[in-house]
Amino acid sequence: DAGITQSPRHKVTETGTPVTLRCHQTENHRYMYWYRQDPGHGLRLIHYSYGVKDTDKGEVSDGYSVSRSKTEDFLLTLESATSSQTSVYFCASRDSGANVLTFGAGSRLTVL
Amino acid sequence: KQEVTQIPAALSVPEGENLVLNCSFTDSAIYNLQWFRQDPGKGLTSLLLIQSSQREQTSGRLNASLDKSSGRSTLYIAASQPGDSATYLCAVEETSGSRLTFGEGTQLTVNP
Repeated sequence: DAGITQSPRHKVTETGTPVTLRCHQTENHRYMYWYRQDPGHGLRLIHYSYGVKDTDKGEVSDGYSVSRSKTEDFLLTLESATSSQTSVYFCASRDSGANVLTFGAGSRLTVL
Repeated sequence: KQEVTQIPAALSVPEGENLVLNCSFTDSAIYNLQWFRQDPGKGLTSLLLIQSSQREQTSGRLNASLDKSSGRSTLYIAASQPGDSATYLCAVEETSGSRLTFGEGTQLTVNP
């Protein structure tokens, strides 16, 4: 996990509250991704970024927004958390299409 | 829509055995394929990346092959060890810099 950190690592919140997860990378990677991992579904892409202020939706983007104001930071926001958003969230980054993907250690979110 | 399937979902073998993990994908027009390892409670670690023009990649006791025409990849682990116990995931990228589509993984247990 060297070079990419996620915070918080664990969070418990209540339905309807806003939540922001932070991903910070020190590799100067261009591309950054947010995935969620759930039993029976594997890893699913929420949003990704291909540069500062350049983002796009993934396959499960409803209820999530992202922002990338600096190369090193990619924020994932749940505007109003729901129980269906209880999951483990992973951030990943890489430099170009030919390079391997580097993952953070994950953020476990529980929405009560 | 690209779909990635990994069979079996779980595998238990005695130490020292050679084993093969399978990954299949529905759209053969891929840019590359990656194999990852995930330990419990941790993020994913990239093991091998195979470009679409390549047939296989090797790293130590690991060998990954790619057959685009049949939509299949295999990860061969030689002389398995208890430390190899983890979940192994494959992921395909359809174009450079695009999203990766993941399989659900194979949970491997190597018994001493």
